Formats: sequence, structure tokens, C-alpha cells
Amino acid sequence: DIQMTQSPSSLSASVGDRVTITCRASQSISSYLNWYQQKPGKAPKLLIYAASSLQSGVPSRFSGSGSGTDFTLTISSLQPEDFATYYCQQSYSTLATFGQGTRLEIK
Amino acid sequence: EVQLVESGGGLVQPGGSLRLSCAASGFTFSSYSMNWVRQAPGKGLEWVSYISSSSSTIYYADSVKGRFTISRDNAKNSLYLQMNSLRDEDTAVYYCARDSETGTPYSWFDPWGQGTLVTVSS
Repeated sequence: DIQMTQSPSSLSASVGDRVTITCRASQSISSYLNWYQQKPGKAPKLLIYAASSLQSGVPSRFSGSGSGTDFTLTISSLQPEDFATYYCQQSYSTLATFGQGTRLEIK
Repeated sequence: EVQLVESGGGLVQPGGSLRLSCAASGFTFSSYSMNWVRQAPGKGLEWVSYISSSSSTIYYADSVKGRFTISRDNAKNSLYLQMNSLRDEDTAVYYCARDSETGTPYSWFDPWGQGTLVTVSS
């Protein structure tokens, strides 16, 4: 199975900060990488697909980049509603796998 | 509006069985592959199973292979997960999630249902 490792596992930041979350795959996955946001008690929500494509309706302060094994999710200016847990997920393999998650907290 | 609604969760003893359902609406269900994803309490997301639009292709995570069976009924716009030989570690919220449209080179999960809680305990 392809292992996905996110860093950091948790992060404290303030409204207005620029934040970057990293996801590393155990082997090359080209651009088969998606990012999701999950708030407590809610289902995950798709933010970015195919490494860098913004899902319809998602604010433009979210962006994704990378290919191969290293990927990043960037939030350009944190808003109060962005405090949540973020997951990366690879779809290169027929057996999808997620990163362990990054919890973004208010400083 | 695209909507997925799971049902069928509950409390079951170890070794028992449960069948989850996911009712789809607002899109052409028969055109999309579907997935089950679970989340143990306080833990991360774990993909469980995939079924193609015509049911011709099915995949399972190693952790559930041989115990869980995914199926669908396109006439009823419904997805199912039959879970047998349940273990304590199967306790989780189970989400159904639509895959990207058939024919696209990339795959992603969107949208997701609200989830149904399965608790395996004696």
C-alpha cells in the first residue's frame, strides 16, 4: 500500500496567517492527490483534487501544489472558518489511502 | 441538490453482522463509482471499499477483505455495505462518498454523506 505522511500533525496559527501543510507519499503518485477539510462532527469536504485543482465553491485562498511524492496545501490568509482538520488522499493506487491528518488550531 | 444519506448503523456484538445503506439523490447514480470510508472515534479517515458504476470492479481494504461486501442497486439509487464477522476495531462512523465522474483520469471523493455510526461491543 502507498503510505501518506502529513506534517505537521497539528498546527497553531492566527487569523490572517499564511499556512502550509505538507503531504509526502511513500512512492511517486504523479498528481493523484486530493485534499479534504473536516470540521468536528461533520463529513469531510473536498478542497483540492488532482494536486492543484480547486473544487468549485472553495475559496481561492486555498491552493495545492506538488507532484511525484511531495505535495503542499496552502491557505493564504486564514479565516475563522478554516480551523479544522485537513487530510490528503492518494488516488494513484486502486486502494486509496489518507494521510493521518493535520489539526489546525487557533493560536 | 446532490445528496447521500447513510443508514443502518447501530450497536452490534463482536462476530455479528450489519448492513449499511446509502441513498443517493440529485444526480445520475448509475454514472458514478462509489466508495465507503470510515473513521474510528477520534481517529483519521480510512478508505474501506470501492464499487464501479456497473458493479464490474470492486476493491476492498485489506482490513475488511473477506468480511465486508459492497454492492449497489442502480434502479434504487442505493449503495450497500454488508459487514460480517465484526470486530471491536470496526467501530467507526461509516461514510459513503461519490467518486469522480466515470471517464475522468483522476479520482476523488465528493460529496460525502453525513455518516452512520457502527459500534461493535459486547
